Amino acid sequence: AQSVTQPDIHITVSEGASLELRCNYSYGATPYLFWYVQSPGQGLQLLLKYFSGDTLVQGIKGFEAEFKRSQSSFNLRKPSVHWSDAAEYFCAVGVAGGGNKLTFGTGTQLKVEL
Amino acid sequence: GAVVSQHPSWVICKSGTSVKIECRSLDFQATTMFWYRQFPKQSLMLMATSNEGSKATYEQGVEKDKFLINHASLTLSTLTVTSAHPEDSSFYICSATYRAAKNIQYFGAGTRLSVL
Repeated sequence: AQSVTQPDIHITVSEGASLELRCNYSYGATPYLFWYVQSPGQGLQLLLKYFSGDTLVQGIKGFEAEFKRSQSSFNLRKPSVHWSDAAEYFCAVGVAGGGNKLTFGTGTQLKVEL
Repeated sequence: GAVVSQHPSWVICKSGTSVKIECRSLDFQATTMFWYRQFPKQSLMLMATSNEGSKATYEQGVEKDKFLINHASLTLSTLTVTSAHPEDSSFYICSATYRAAKNIQYFGAGTRLSVL
């Protein structure tokens, strides 16, 4: 079965600084990879996804992520963080033929200092 | 596009009563809907998967008789928490996929259930 690890439970960055959130997955083949963001008391919003092709994917709100097969990673990045980016970020993995189910990581709470 | 609406956003009920949560896809036909449970500061736990017109498939450890799921149409799925108890208090989130983007789940805003 696939699994997802988000090593950082909490991250604090200053507004305007760059951001990288880590995500590692465990799966034998190439999975479908997602990043979602959740604001307090809200559902999840899709930031970006990777299915195949170009390993650097662009998402909404200025986020991007890079799929690295050799490292089984799909890290999320943003060059300059805004205070409104403070939220919980979840990495998720789906597999072909898996009934469209997703396995979520435990999330990374992002705090932005002004 | 791909908007999922969940209602109510917050519900308080007495122990022993039943509560129904609705999940609607507003601008697409949802071939599959998912129900998750999220405990405070934790990840999402998949409870069940439902396809229109068929019985829901529950994840291991989820009580079918406690959490009744109905997917009566291509735009509506409901989760009924029967005989709710304080330990059922949680944040419940639904998501949906559609045929042209079946690998992408679109999420509702969630329902906060508090059982007194």
